[in-house]
Amino acid sequence: DARVTQTPRHKVTEMGQEVTMRCQPILGHNTVFWYRQTMMQGLELLAYFRNRAPLDDSGMPKDRFSAEMPDATLATLKIQPSEPRDSAVYFCASGLVLGQPSYEQYFGPGTRLTVT
Amino acid sequence: SQKIEQNSEALNIQEGKTATLTCNYTNYSPAYLQWYRQDPGRGPVFLLLIRENEKEKRKERLKVTFDTTLKQSLFHITASQPADSATYLCALKAGNNRKLIWGLGTSLAVNP
Repeated sequence: DARVTQTPRHKVTEMGQEVTMRCQPILGHNTVFWYRQTMMQGLELLAYFRNRAPLDDSGMPKDRFSAEMPDATLATLKIQPSEPRDSAVYFCASGLVLGQPSYEQYFGPGTRLTVT
Repeated sequence: SQKIEQNSEALNIQEGKTATLTCNYTNYSPAYLQWYRQDPGRGPVFLLLIRENEKEKRKERLKVTFDTTLKQSLFHITASQPADSATYLCALKAGNNRKLIWGLGTSLAVNP
């Protein structure tokens, strides 16, 4: 049963601290997405990778957020320094694009981040 | 501005009835639209995709319609069950934009 995994599931930290979230996409998938979900804004795309290359990170605050894929089995999202307004649930999703213009996304369980 | 709207109020229905959820959009020409289900504390799960040139798509008890003139998609669950209780999200891909644009979701409660 292939699944996207994310760690940690919950993170409580103080303002100013660095936060690193990790994601293991489904083996064989070539696209990875990072989303942030809040009650007010819903799901917001932060960054998007295809074959490990960043294609779109326009939704991400560049001064404090960074996203990388050091290899095909690991995607990371870092926040440094963290702020209370970053409190949200962060989802990683993966998918397989083979040239067709549509595809479904498989989401991980999310990391619930609380910044105090 | 570009936006997607879903029923903000929770939908409560009786078991066995048909649930109908609405997704309206403005200022887009979607290439396709997707529906996802999200349970509390979990990530969204893909249910159905409907393309711009399709009027209707079915999967078991689920049916999605897509009216590009009305700029609306309807999501139906027939013979609803308490296990169908969840939040349902619609998302659309507009043209060459790589992003999916997401609605805030509608909460559905099916009462036994």
